[in-house]
Amino acid sequence: SQKIEQNSEALNIQEGKTATLTCNYTNYSPAYLQWYRQDPGRGPVFLLLIRENEKEKRKERLKVTFDTTLKQSLFHITASQPADSATYLCALDMRSWGYSTLTFGKGTMLLVSP
Amino acid sequence: NAGVTQTPKFRVLKTGQSMTLLCAQDMNHEYMYWYRQDPGMGLRLIHYSVGEGTTAKGEVPDGYNVSRLKKQNFLLGLESAAPSQTSVYFCASSYYRANTGELFFGEGSRLTVL
Repeated sequence: SQKIEQNSEALNIQEGKTATLTCNYTNYSPAYLQWYRQDPGRGPVFLLLIRENEKEKRKERLKVTFDTTLKQSLFHITASQPADSATYLCALDMRSWGYSTLTFGKGTMLLVSP
Repeated sequence: NAGVTQTPKFRVLKTGQSMTLLCAQDMNHEYMYWYRQDPGMGLRLIHYSVGEGTTAKGEVPDGYNVSRLKKQNFLLGLESAAPSQTSVYFCASSYYRANTGELFFGEGSRLTVL
């Protein structure tokens, strides 16, 4: 079965710096990889999806890379702000017949200090 | 547009009691999912449904039953609750053949089994 590891349980950075979160997986590469944000006491919210044939995806201050050789995805938040503090989840998207059964990592808690 | 609504939000049960969690979505999504989230474990898929009248087992289905009698509703039942089922339960839905395959999550139902 697939195993997913997100680099650390918590990451502390200063406002304005770039936060880099890591997602590593074993076994076969998924067709897609998704990133979600989860605030305390709330449900996860979708941020970005990257396909196996895409090396990089951007959305505003967010950037995701996907390296199927290294079996790794990196998630970057540039010019980080305290409002970016949250837990970030990566999920392997083993898509089948149009629907996604996602396998989630445990998440990395990001704390951005002013 | 409410999105995905879960009821109840909180519940305390005694071992052996039964209960049903209700998930309702108003986005006309074909696919619906039930996840549980435990500290240090991440989100794990319990059951899912690819359409009205169909259900399938996920990673951790034991002790749970589900039903999808209407497209907009997905029910998760615990017939005889156990302390190991203390968790936060998230319902999610997704659209068939979506460009992104993103999951839309509810706000969660926190269940404590004493």
